[in-house]
Formats: sequence, structure tokens, C-alpha cells
Amino acid sequence: EAQVTQNPRYLITVTGKKLTVTCSQNMNHEYMSWYRQDPGLGLRQIYYSMNVEVTDKGDVPEGYKVSRKEKRNFPLILESPSPNQTSLYFCASSWGLAGGRRFYEQYFGPGTRLTVT
Amino acid sequence: SQQGEEDPQALSIQEGENATMNCSYKTSINNLQWYRQNSGRGLVHLILIRSNEREKHSGRLRVTLDTSKKSSSLLITASRAADTASYFCATGVTGGGNKLTFGTGTQLKVEL
Repeated sequence: EAQVTQNPRYLITVTGKKLTVTCSQNMNHEYMSWYRQDPGLGLRQIYYSMNVEVTDKGDVPEGYKVSRKEKRNFPLILESPSPNQTSLYFCASSWGLAGGRRFYEQYFGPGTRLTVT
Repeated sequence: SQQGEEDPQALSIQEGENATMNCSYKTSINNLQWYRQNSGRGLVHLILIRSNEREKHSGRLRVTLDTSKKSSSLLITASRAADTASYFCATGVTGGGNKLTFGTGTQLKVEL
């Protein structure tokens, strides 16, 4: 089954304790992205990756890191989480420019609800 | 920054009625997409419309795009209780690659 998986689904942590949220897709997609969703603000892009070893900042990258060492995985790293990073996080993937089109629909993971106290 | 804004923010209708949601955006786009989100879950792609298209259909969904007004509408006909969800529009811009900018969403409730 084609899917995007995220782990963990729920996480409660304390300020300053480094954490990683994993994201994996099995569709061989080039493009992957992380979003956070907050009430009244919709989804905002944190980081994205056009392909392996190619990552770039989205609209709200402060306090986050990413890496793309393999095509299928795109982990989100919070080196020193703070309470303002409490949010619902989504990973998404889609075909990239190699697919021959300029834009594609995105496939979303189930979300990770993070609480930082 | 938010590109799309949906209107209304919330909509409550009876099963069988049609639901119309609107999306306005600010800059020129090359495509606009609609997604559905069931409570707290991942978004599911519904339909994509290119900037040179004016209308698109998919089952009970009808999407229109008016680039001169920078707006789009999503019509769900003969709504069902299972359509209860939040609906988001997302826009892509030329040169933006795969980047999508999402609106704040419309919460639709379909009552029996």
C-alpha cells in the first residue's frame, strides 16, 4: 500500500530535550516536506527536500533541522525543543520534476502531535 | 505566509444539501489543489486544477477557478455525514516547484 508513515504519532517531551520525528514513504517520491499545523494558521511549511541530499527552508524553519540521506526517509529534528513548537506535524511527499510535470498532489502522513512542556 | 483564505470558516448543513466553500489567494498561481482533513488526521488530496482550467469535476466534487478574481470554489453535491471534515485549498506558484501554500481551512459539518 502506498503510504507515508510518521513516528511517533504522539510525543510529550520537556524543553531542551532533543527529539527526532521520522518520516518514510514507499512511493519513490523525490519531493518530501514537513509542515506544522496550528489552530487558525493552517499548515505552514517547515523544510522541504527536492531529492537526496537536497534540502531547503520553508516558511517557518527556525528551531528545526532535517536531513535526506535516503530517498524514502526525511526525519525532522528538534535540537532543543521549546513550548512554542507544540503543534501537529505532518510529513508529505510527491513526485518531483523528474516526473515530467511541474506540479503534483501531495501525500500526507497521519501526523505527529507534539507537546513540549 | 498564508496564500489562501477559505470562506466560510465553518459551515453546517443537512445531509443531502450542497456545500460550497470558497478560497481566495493573493499571488499568481500555476495550480490550485483542494484537500480534506478528518479530525486530527493527515490531509487527503481531492482535486487539482491548473491555472489555465476554469472548472473540474470529480465524482460529487466540482471545483472552479477564476484567476482574474484570484479565487476558487469547491462544491460538494448531495453531501453525506461522511463528508464532515475540514477542507483546505493550497496553491502552487510558477518557479515554486512542488511547494504548496495552504489556507486556513473550512470546517464542514454535515448533519443527519
